[in-house]
Amino acid sequence: AQSVTQPDIHITVSEGASLELRCNYSYGATPYLFWYVQSPGQGLQLLLKYFSGDTLVQGIKGFEAEFKRSQSSFNLRKPSVHWSDAAEYFCVVAAGGGADGLTFGKGTHLIIQP
Amino acid sequence: KAGVTQTPRYLIKTRGQQVTLSCSPISGHRSVSWYQQTPGQGLQFLFEYFSETQRNKGNFPGRFSGRQFSNSRSEMNVSTLELGDSALYLCASSINTGPEQYFGPGTRLTVT
Repeated sequence: AQSVTQPDIHITVSEGASLELRCNYSYGATPYLFWYVQSPGQGLQLLLKYFSGDTLVQGIKGFEAEFKRSQSSFNLRKPSVHWSDAAEYFCVVAAGGGADGLTFGKGTHLIIQP
Repeated sequence: KAGVTQTPRYLIKTRGQQVTLSCSPISGHRSVSWYQQTPGQGLQFLFEYFSETQRNKGNFPGRFSGRQFSNSRSEMNVSTLELGDSALYLCASSINTGPEQYFGPGTRLTVT
């Protein structure tokens, strides 16, 4: 079965600084990969996705992620964070074309310092 | 285009009761999936419906069930509620059975 590891439970970043959230997955083949963001009291919003092709993918709100097959990683990055980026971020795997539902990491809570 | 809607947004029930949650997918989306989110277990897949048929099911007891109607709207039901069923229940829709899913705001269920 597939699994997703987000090693950082909390990350604190100063406003305007760069951000990298780590994600590692375990799956026998290349899965579909996603990053979702959840603000307090809200549902999940899709930030970006990787299915195949270019390993650097661009998403909404200035986020990007890089797929590295050799490291089984899909890290999320943003060059300059804004206070509104404070939220919970989930790395998600869809194995088997999504036939088994989405598998979520435990999430990384992002705190933005003024 | 309107997003995924879920009703009700908040619900308080007593142990032993049953509850029904509703989800309306994005217009044109035919697949609906349900997830449970708790602080301890995180987000877990409950089941997926497509064309009124359950296509897949996660590792949850039979007290959790669902259905989908011909207009793609879906309901999930939890019978004989337990305290541990307190959670945020999220519904997501996708165009067909593809992996790209769009989530609703969730229903916060509290069992007392």
